[in-house]
Amino acid sequence: KNQVEQSPQSLIILEGKNCTLQCNYTVSPFSNLRWYKQDTGRGPVSLTIMTFSENTKSNGRYTATLDADTKQSSLHITASQLSDSASYICVVTRNSGNTPLVFGKGTRLSVIA
Amino acid sequence: SAVISQKPSRDICQRGTSLTIQCQVDSQVTMMFWYRQQPGQSLTLIATANQGSEATYESGFVIDKFPISRPNLTFSTLTVSNMSPEDSSIYLCSTRTGTMNTEAFFGQGTRLTVV
Repeated sequence: KNQVEQSPQSLIILEGKNCTLQCNYTVSPFSNLRWYKQDTGRGPVSLTIMTFSENTKSNGRYTATLDADTKQSSLHITASQLSDSASYICVVTRNSGNTPLVFGKGTRLSVIA
Repeated sequence: SAVISQKPSRDICQRGTSLTIQCQVDSQVTMMFWYRQQPGQSLTLIATANQGSEATYESGFVIDKFPISRPNLTFSTLTVSNMSPEDSSIYLCSTRTGTMNTEAFFGQGTRLTVV
């Protein structure tokens, strides 16, 4: 069954601290994996995309990793800011004819002062 | 990339009524999608809106409950019909671009509360 599991479900950290969000998937065949940030009351916005051959990719204070062998990805946020408070959704694309997307439930991150 | 304008952003509706959600894309796109996002849950695909033909619905969703229009390549509507409190959710429209259409762009969502 094609599934994306994210952990933790929610997380509270102090401003300035680092955190790491996890994503495990069983999607096959794999095309790519994206991390999205969804602010409250907004639609998801893409942060990074990881293809099969990529291990690490950074976008400012966000660094995503991918281990295609163990089917795990992580999103590391460095020096968190209050504006990082959002839901972070891991989305895996299947490599099939209509490239369906499989969504995780997201991790709700709250950054507090 | 694609920018999607979705409206309304939120609404509170009486049970038994219907609400139509609109999405406008800033460019012509082949594929438009409608999702539902219930609290604490992942996005669930409702249907794929095809221009010039009937929408394709996912298992568990039917046209009578969620009629969709796609009159051109930049616009689509989703109607939530005969609403009940169980329909309270966030509804999102989306499109895809890029190689193999794998980069998804989303509207800001419509937060629907049915009372």
